[in-house]
Amino acid sequence: QSALTQPASVSGSPGQSITISCTGTSSDVGGHNYVSWYQQHPGKAPKLMIDDVSDRPSGVSNRFSGSKSGNTASLTISGLQAEDEADYYCSSYTSDTARYVFGTGTKVTVL
Amino acid sequence: QVQLQESGPGLVKPSETLSLTCIVSGYSISSGYYWGWIRQPPGKGLEWIGSIYHSGNSYYNPSLKSRVTISVDTSKNQFSLRLNSVTAADTAVYYCARDKGGSSAFDVWGQGTMVTVSS
Repeated sequence: QSALTQPASVSGSPGQSITISCTGTSSDVGGHNYVSWYQQHPGKAPKLMIDDVSDRPSGVSNRFSGSKSGNTASLTISGLQAEDEADYYCSSYTSDTARYVFGTGTKVTVL
Repeated sequence: QVQLQESGPGLVKPSETLSLTCIVSGYSISSGYYWGWIRQPPGKGLEWIGSIYHSGNSYYNPSLKSRVTISVDTSKNQFSLRLNSVTAADTAVYYCARDKGGSSAFDVWGQGTMVTVSS
């Protein structure tokens, strides 16, 4: 069960938009609409930001949006703010094991 | 408000068994959802360990399956993790979380507990 591939780091200036990619296979990201995204600040537990590819849980800012094309899912943060600086992880259901796999993680830096 | 709290030893000796419990408040485990364990080695990414339904049906990460047991106690509204034959590679922050089931979404997380494997 290999981890989903994410860029190690992405950066942007306040107010800009950034996109984080999450690449898998047809057994996971490409085969199901079960992709989630998590935000993790240092020393804190992850927080669910997006599930089912593009659904935002209650309370999550609409600056966060998710999408998918083929075997790659994406998280876009628009109107980047200092508080968005954190690690972000994707995850997906995988039919290989009938359960879950996480991405490698992306550190977002606000310049 | 649903809350999860992990508890257990912070230090385990190599070859011994790591045991953690997650106490759930604000929601009855018997009402539904899966309940899972995720770990994060220092400075590294997240790894799903396994999940269990209130009925006892459980699913495990294949890479850990031979060493992991997750159980549920609905009378105490808690679920537990046992990982045997631990090595230094099992040193990590261990999180318990509510698993929405199938969608790979963990929507409520505990604060996490650091477990170090060392003699």
